[in-house]
Amino acid sequence: DTAVSQTPKYLVTQMGNDKSIKCEQNLGHDTMYWYKQDSKKFLKIMFSYNNKELIINETVPNRFSPKSPDKAHLNLHINSLELGDSAVYFCASSQEGEFKNIQYFGAGTRLSVL
Amino acid sequence: GEDVEQSLFLSVREGDSSVINCTYTDSSSTYLYWYKQEPGAGLQLLTYIFSNMDMKQDQRLTVLLNKKDKHLSLRIADTQTGDSAIYFCAEGEYALNFGKGTSLLVTP
Repeated sequence: DTAVSQTPKYLVTQMGNDKSIKCEQNLGHDTMYWYKQDSKKFLKIMFSYNNKELIINETVPNRFSPKSPDKAHLNLHINSLELGDSAVYFCASSQEGEFKNIQYFGAGTRLSVL
Repeated sequence: GEDVEQSLFLSVREGDSSVINCTYTDSSSTYLYWYKQEPGAGLQLLTYIFSNMDMKQDQRLTVLLNKKDKHLSLRIADTQTGDSAIYFCAEGEYALNFGKGTSLLVTP
């Protein structure tokens, strides 16, 4: 009954490959996010989608492309993976209205690029 | 850009109180947040405070906000070994801006 679920939990792949990480939330939230946590535990926003529309796109390489088929899903596709992409990627969601921006996070996807 | 600063480490004995401090620069946030990350786990929303409040208490947790000094603190009373984790302070609208996290180590 996980509120924000990400798959896979672990992803090990070779440089140059293309991979996707999926995120689903069953909270009925309108806004979803992707964050990256580096090896020093520093968390940084990558993207934000509100009702399937991109509202935040931080300085992220074009190799990263978010896709939102509906407002409950926000997937992250990464092309031509590089060593520096190794990190933990967190999906999050929040609801519009009074408690907007109170964000709930998934368990994270640990990506290792070899 | 906005900065959120936290001390990196804190070690306390079981049963003592822990105080984790944070300073931030963006005064426009509606809420300020504390998240907890246990080893190998995701981010758990621990508590949050509305920016017009000075204090919020939730069982063993007390959040103090000094808006003038842009200072936020999290006090954990009667700290337990299960409280050992990284605690992140965060602020922002839509995109959360996180501090680098404070690693809390609770020793028996």
